[in-house]
Amino acid sequence: GESVGLHLPTLSVQEGDNSIINCAYSNSASDYFIWYKQESGKGPQFIIDIRSNMDKRQGQRVTVLLNKTVKHLSLQIAATQPGDSAVYFCAENIGHSGNTGKLIFGQGTTLQVKP
Amino acid sequence: DAGVIQSPRHEVTEMGQEVTLRCKPISGHNSLFWYRQTMMRGLELLIYFNNNVPIDDSGMPEDRFSAKMPNASFSTLKIQPSEPRDSAVYFCASSLGGDSYEQYFGPGTRLTVT
Repeated sequence: GESVGLHLPTLSVQEGDNSIINCAYSNSASDYFIWYKQESGKGPQFIIDIRSNMDKRQGQRVTVLLNKTVKHLSLQIAATQPGDSAVYFCAENIGHSGNTGKLIFGQGTTLQVKP
Repeated sequence: DAGVIQSPRHEVTEMGQEVTLRCKPISGHNSLFWYRQTMMRGLELLIYFNNNVPIDDSGMPEDRFSAKMPNASFSTLKIQPSEPRDSAVYFCASSLGGDSYEQYFGPGTRLTVT
């Protein structure tokens, strides 16, 4: 079946460095992608999203890059802080009619920020 | 904003008992989603509703699970009878719907079935 997967289960970075979390997707029909952050004991929180007609989108300290040619999505966090330590999920919306709004989540990457 | 509200936050029950999880979506949101999260299987979509109507329940593991949305501000997920393998964190999420796909998650209900 088609799925969203993450390349690295755990990423450890030094405080102040930039972090890059990667995600591969396999469904070329996906038209929307989203990144969530989940801290321990909490529900996933929205970070940033991007539609398939874009290849880059920036937020506050975060940037999402979409490469449709190789079906790759990445989340860049600038100047990583201890509060960024969490599990990060990518998700995709497969945009065929009758099933919009349903997100398929990857397995998650744990980001550890070392002080 | 209150965000998505779930209750209870924690539930411990014995095998065979009925469990009911509750969710209040964000006011004005038209889509509601139930997820289950475990270490082994990650975050799985169980069922989702658009305008109170179930659209896709293919993720519901078996007949022991059922979900309802009697009105736009309330949904339940029921497990009857519960089994130890149902132990997980159950999340409810809501979104505006239409071409707005961003989902807002509740704090989750941690279910332990002994």
